[in-house]
Amino acid sequence: EVQLLESGGGLVQPEESLRLSCAASGFIFSRYAMTWVRQAPGKGLEWVSAIGGSGANTYYADSVKGRFTISRDNSKNTLYLQMSSLRAEDTAVYYCAKDRSWVGAKDSWGQGTLVTVSS
Amino acid sequence: QSVLTQPPSVSGAPGQRVTISCTGSSSNIGAGYDVQWYQQLPGTAPKLLIYDNSNRPSGVPDRFSGSKSGTSASLAITGLQVDDEADYYCQSYDSSLSVVFGGGTKLTVL
Repeated sequence: EVQLLESGGGLVQPEESLRLSCAASGFIFSRYAMTWVRQAPGKGLEWVSAIGGSGANTYYADSVKGRFTISRDNSKNTLYLQMSSLRAEDTAVYYCAKDRSWVGAKDSWGQGTLVTVSS
Repeated sequence: QSVLTQPPSVSGAPGQRVTISCTGSSSNIGAGYDVQWYQQLPGTAPKLLIYDNSNRPSGVPDRFSGSKSGTSASLAITGLQVDDEADYYCQSYDSSLSVVFGGGTKLTVL
């Protein structure tokens, strides 16, 4: 059974940094692209970033490009999202998801971790 | 403003059939990119419902079906049940090098 467990969320001040982690199990992690999707309170889903199975290819939404960095450690079956220069509009629940392909279906999702950016 | 347009809400009585539309453009759905549908029950993470326009993952009832034509896609739910009350999102890829979601549709079962 695929399991994805996010961690690292919390309350931070504007312009601060935070790193999210997503521990994966139940599948061969290195074979799959992975994605971060966020959902602001009461709002819809927003794609944030994706990374290929090897980690060589990364993709970002314009809203986070230059501020967020996606990475993975295939030896630890863990996905990361390093977030810097955080803004109030980054406040959201952040989900990690396993991809069928990075442009296609996200077939398993974690439970999410809440990031709140506020002074 | 989402790249993919969905109606904010739809409703139906138990046992009825409802459809949810997802309208894109020539740079996403119309360019041939596949459409996915997700169901998000209240307070939970999204769940994949339909992938590659019309395919159901294992465990998804055949009451749920998807279709795509031109620059639009649709999700149909037949035999509506109270437990189907949720938010539904479509998703595709845009040639601007971005994965895109619809704004979501809240389904109310009357």
